[in-house]
Amino acid sequence: DAKTTQPPSMDCAEGRAANLPCNHSTISGNEYVYWYRQIHSQGPQYIIHGLKNNETNEMASLIITEDRKSSTLILPHATLRDTAVYYCIVRGMDSSYKLIFGSGTRLLVRP
Amino acid sequence: DADVTQTPRNRITKTGKRIMLECSQTKGHDRMYWYRQDPGLGLRLIYYSFDVKDINKGEISDGYSVSRQAQAKFSLSLESAIPNQTALYFCATMPTSTDTQYFGPGTRLTVL
Repeated sequence: DAKTTQPPSMDCAEGRAANLPCNHSTISGNEYVYWYRQIHSQGPQYIIHGLKNNETNEMASLIITEDRKSSTLILPHATLRDTAVYYCIVRGMDSSYKLIFGSGTRLLVRP
Repeated sequence: DADVTQTPRNRITKTGKRIMLECSQTKGHDRMYWYRQDPGLGLRLIYYSFDVKDINKGEISDGYSVSRQAQAKFSLSLESAIPNQTALYFCATMPTSTDTQYFGPGTRLTVL
């Protein structure tokens, strides 16, 4: 499974877009990029995932570069409730479908 | 009602005691997982199960065992708890139709 690199912390103002980067330069062709978040010590929550095309859902947008070596999670209008640790995970297609979590990015949304 | 529940939510025990953490789900998912999380770190996989008769070790299974009593229930046991098993434990489920995992609220275990 490819390793991911994320900044340890970021902050943004409430109402503004939060752009969280992730580097996954060793990703292989069949590995998906997943984003989960963990609010305080609650169970991680799925946000979005993608393979090569950009994706959008009701929570966020995922922008994957053409070479797939990096991606950005965009929360278009961050709220205080979006303060959390955000995990970028590259998941291969091994038989376990396990998620390998790194240290993530701690996002603080300021009032 | 929560789809994935874990009991107990908090537990303090002593070294050498046997502990069971339970996970139940109403989502009807076949796949279930147990992870542990240490302070400031991401989650690590302990065990996983794809159906009642299927049990697989994860990356840190030593010192743990599991039981899949039914599709909806997946229990994690610590046969003889030790202090470095103090952690936050999460159960997750996943349907066969997608690759999204759904996590329970976690159990905070402290071994003294």
